[in-house]
Amino acid sequence: GAVVSQHPSRVICKSGTSVKIECRSLDFQATTMFWYRQFPKQSLMLMATSNEGSKATYEQGVEKDKFLINHASLTLSTLTVTSAHPEDSSFYICSAGTSGGARPTDTQYFGPGTRLTVL
Amino acid sequence: DAKTTQPNSMESNEEEPVHLPCNHSTISGTDYIHWYRQLPSQGPEYVIHGLTSNVNNRMASLAIAEDRKSSTLILHRATLRDAAVYYCILRANTGGFKTIFGAGTRLFVKA
Repeated sequence: GAVVSQHPSRVICKSGTSVKIECRSLDFQATTMFWYRQFPKQSLMLMATSNEGSKATYEQGVEKDKFLINHASLTLSTLTVTSAHPEDSSFYICSAGTSGGARPTDTQYFGPGTRLTVL
Repeated sequence: DAKTTQPNSMESNEEEPVHLPCNHSTISGTDYIHWYRQLPSQGPEYVIHGLTSNVNNRMASLAIAEDRKSSTLILHRATLRDAAVYYCILRANTGGFKTIFGAGTRLFVKA
């Protein structure tokens, strides 16, 4: 099946610094990617939809200036957590679909996740 | 999006079949039923999906009720590696591609 990678897999940073997480579709092009956040023992929460060549669409309650998303190519989307604080510590997961479109039959492929710890 | 309801957790013995239920009483006629699972400290992975007919693949089977208000994911022989959180998700036939996760069912497999 299709493969989605994330880098880094784990990052520890000091409070106030910014952290960039990369999401790549390795063997297919993805016009749309998605970013999720997951706190311990909880389900995945959709943060935003990343669209290649245009602005991301954020879910209600997610600060767009806090979580900067760039989807510069058909295989790469980045999430930058700006001025990170301990409450931003979480498991961040990206996903992409092979058709890149709106078919309800499309399978989403998820990255392995990035564990962010802010001290 | 139509909502799904799943038990918080289930337990199974290794090598035995597991039936994971999902209720989706407000499903619309064009919603597809998808199942994903998430192993510990990993991203979710696709398991199976269907619309009306039962579906089989190498991972599992999906049994869909005739009225489509419920479905059951069937793992034919549970292994320790099947211990995960299983999510039942409805994908609407509308513009966009969002996959919204509910709480899911945590499956424990005993040796």
